[in-house]
Amino acid sequence: DSGVTQTPKHLITATGQRVTLRCSPRSGDLSVYWYQQSLDQGLQFLIQYYNGEERAKGNILERFSAQQFPDLHSELNLSSLELGDSALYFCASSPYVSDSPLHFGNGTRLTVT
Amino acid sequence: DQQVKQNSPSLSVQEGRISILNCDYTNSMFDYFLWYKKYPAEGPTFLISISSIKDKNEDGRFTVFLNKSAKHLSLHIVPSQPGDSAVYFCAASRRNDMRFGAGTRLTVKP
Repeated sequence: DSGVTQTPKHLITATGQRVTLRCSPRSGDLSVYWYQQSLDQGLQFLIQYYNGEERAKGNILERFSAQQFPDLHSELNLSSLELGDSALYFCASSPYVSDSPLHFGNGTRLTVT
Repeated sequence: DQQVKQNSPSLSVQEGRISILNCDYTNSMFDYFLWYKKYPAEGPTFLISISSIKDKNEDGRFTVFLNKSAKHLSLHIVPSQPGDSAVYFCAASRRNDMRFGAGTRLTVKP
């Protein structure tokens, strides 16, 4: 158990809809990362937050947004969903000190029909 | 974003033999490198890491080698065991900005 909790585990929704994925980081970790893994693809970096502030942005679509709240949990919002958004979405956390690994949750599998 | 590349999508080895997984990166500013292992229906789990000031780090059956001039790292697993069968991701980081390769699926046959 990595200590990172992601909900829900599975999500099925229709095109054009909006969903929210939630992540609770490991106790004590201040930084949260979101990654997308499409079928047989690698982990594509979406966005990173540290203590409530955005720190780095990857290939995140404009239809996607995220935030980190004062209690350090994070939410990833996906809107105007398309079939191609179907993927595994992983959240990871770290204490944000040099040379520290990320710890991943078990992901949310999003299926857009 | 192809800053980290794993060019072999899959690798199959016999139990007891050595598994060598390779990874290349393009950004010379990366200073921390990691390997993660992923089983189906689970998130990636941290396996081993190496700082750019070293060229080798060992942890039991797992050894990571870093060749900075070639921008190349590799993971050696010896001896390989059937339980090592998983997808292995390499990652490279600078200032907590971590990027991943596409993964290599390792199958260890009994």
